[in-house]
Amino acid sequence: GAGVSQSPRYKVAKRGQDVALRCDPISGHVSLFWYQQALGQGPEFLTYFQNEAQLDKSGLPSDRFFAERPEGSVSTLKIQRTQQEDSAVYLCASVAGTTSTDTQYFGPGTRLTVL
Amino acid sequence: AQSVTQLGSHVSVSEGALVLLRCNYSSSVPPYLFWYVQYPNQGLQLLLKYTSAATLVKGINGFEAEFKKSETSFHLTKPSAHMSDAAEYFCAVSGGGSQGNLIFGKGTKLSVKP
Repeated sequence: GAGVSQSPRYKVAKRGQDVALRCDPISGHVSLFWYQQALGQGPEFLTYFQNEAQLDKSGLPSDRFFAERPEGSVSTLKIQRTQQEDSAVYLCASVAGTTSTDTQYFGPGTRLTVL
Repeated sequence: AQSVTQLGSHVSVSEGALVLLRCNYSSSVPPYLFWYVQYPNQGLQLLLKYTSAATLVKGINGFEAEFKKSETSFHLTKPSAHMSDAAEYFCAVSGGGSQGNLIFGKGTKLSVKP
């Protein structure tokens, strides 16, 4: 079956522009995570959804970052007024269940470059 | 709070040689530990995970890892490296709570020489 897909794969934005990054999780998966991976670093947690509920947004770096999953499937990460420090790969992970031992299935990521 | 330290940002081995990638963790609760592999321009793929069952965990592609509580380690090994193993490897610990967000190390890039 299809895995996790993300679009666009690459995004170049001018500083100050708004961007929207999309994640299509595996069908039927309950949980969804967003991570930010800076160059040369491991991914860092941004936010977590269980179905349509955003249960944890403690990793969002500023109020310019906003995520939603209105119908409990597709999720969008929006970054307003992008800054150069927002340049990173944004990864989405889809999980069948809700426990800490469940496997996270990652998408290929969206590479955001802010000029 | 949980954390992960990967020793060595870059490891180079010859084809056929032992692969050893080191990971040490810090956790105030019994940890769940994971190894992921990332190929260029691809997402992370789970190699194996420790979830408090057997301490020696076997994964895909011939990799295995041993959970050693006394050493707070979860090193990844493979007896014989293949060229196709060249990639970046990330160790991660579950962040606790019921949701399981992962806390990753900085990664180790594995190069395999012919």
